Amino acid sequence: QVTLRESGPALVKPTQTLTLTCTFSGFSLSTSGMCVSWIRQPPGKALEWLARIDWDDDKYYSTSLKTRLTISKDTSKNQVVLTMTNMDPVDTATYYCARTIAAAGTSDYWGQGTLVTVSS
Amino acid sequence: DIQMTQSPSSLSASVGDRVTITCQASQDISNYLNWYQQKPGKAPKLLIYDASNLETGVPSRFSGSGSGTDFTFTISSLQPEDIATYYCQQYDNLVTFGGGTKVEIK
Repeated sequence: QVTLRESGPALVKPTQTLTLTCTFSGFSLSTSGMCVSWIRQPPGKALEWLARIDWDDDKYYSTSLKTRLTISKDTSKNQVVLTMTNMDPVDTATYYCARTIAAAGTSDYWGQGTLVTVSS
Repeated sequence: DIQMTQSPSSLSASVGDRVTITCQASQDISNYLNWYQQKPGKAPKLLIYDASNLETGVPSRFSGSGSGTDFTFTISSLQPEDIATYYCQQYDNLVTFGGGTKVEIK
């Protein structure tokens, strides 16, 4: 079955760089049409899409955050890594990774999410 | 960027009621619109894709309709397990989520 799990620091300081890893199983990112997306959710607020990486290594970023985000994949390890630079307290959120089907734009399997707090 | 305006932001209804949520896109997105359900402390779950298609395993009391800029999500008969926040999501140009609709039992 398809599973995804986010990992990374629970606490980062302002101005630091956040690195999150999504480790998945049950599908391959070398399969045509497969993608992995990152989405975040500040406490009590709505979902916000961050980035997506596709099977062919195409990458897409949120317009408002593109200067701070980098997404990459390691197909052999079944991992996708998201880095976000210059962290600020407003970036405190639960960060999710999700399998996304390119043609349908649907994120059909999600990780449980990881809460990242930005505080000095 | 495409903006998604969801309404209402919250609603309270009785078990068995018909519940309707609307989502309006800032520009034509054809039918590139999905709906998700999120229960407290859990990851979102895909319910409807391409505006009106029910994801496998999702109860038939959930439905979606619309195209272009105006979309509707309906629960035909609200059940206690449907208490959650519902989000629309466009994928015509990158991805944008609506602000969410919190559904509670009256």
